[in-house]
Amino acid sequence: GQQLNQSPQSMFIQEGEDVSMNCTSSSIFNTWLWYKQDPGEGPVLLIALYKAGELTSNGRLTAQFGITRKDSFLNISASIPSDVGIYFCAGRFGDMRFGAGTRLTVKP
Amino acid sequence: NAGVTQTPKFQVLKTGQSMTLQCAQDMNHEYMSWYRQDPGMGLRLIHYSVGAGITDQGEVPNGYNVSRSTTEDFPLRLLSAAPSQTSVYFCASIHPDRAGYGYTFGSGTRLTVV
Repeated sequence: GQQLNQSPQSMFIQEGEDVSMNCTSSSIFNTWLWYKQDPGEGPVLLIALYKAGELTSNGRLTAQFGITRKDSFLNISASIPSDVGIYFCAGRFGDMRFGAGTRLTVKP
Repeated sequence: NAGVTQTPKFQVLKTGQSMTLQCAQDMNHEYMSWYRQDPGMGLRLIHYSVGAGITDQGEVPNGYNVSRSTTEDFPLRLLSAAPSQTSVYFCASIHPDRAGYGYTFGSGTRLTVV
């Protein structure tokens, strides 16, 4: 089946630092999405990418859809304490599959 | 408020008991799905439905049943709960014309089977 490998599993950073995480797959997807999950809540969509090579920003967040359609990355610039949470990548080709998540901790 | 509503938020079951996790959405979304979230494994698709009367299996369907009699509701049934079904369950929905916008998720049901 379609498997997504998301890395790193966790990150501990200082407020103000930039963050980078990525997702790779052996299968191609026609949509890549990035979600954030706060404790006790469901995931919330951050960025959606629709075509290979696409680079999209949402405030301090930037994500790219890899040209092979098998990978994507998410960057967060100048992190702040409220960036804390679990970030999931998801690939869609028919149904949607999720990576295992990156747990981000931001130290003030 | 429009969105996906899941009930209950927490549940403890004994092995062998049955229960239904409820999911309702008021956005007229055709596509609904159930995921389970386990530590270190992300979200895994259990069952999904592309419209009323149509359901299909996802990645981990064993031990779960679903039905879709209306567009609004998509309940998930555990017929005989097992400790391996201890997890957090999320219901999600999406409108097919807005597929690129991603799912809207409920706030989850935390289930413990003892």
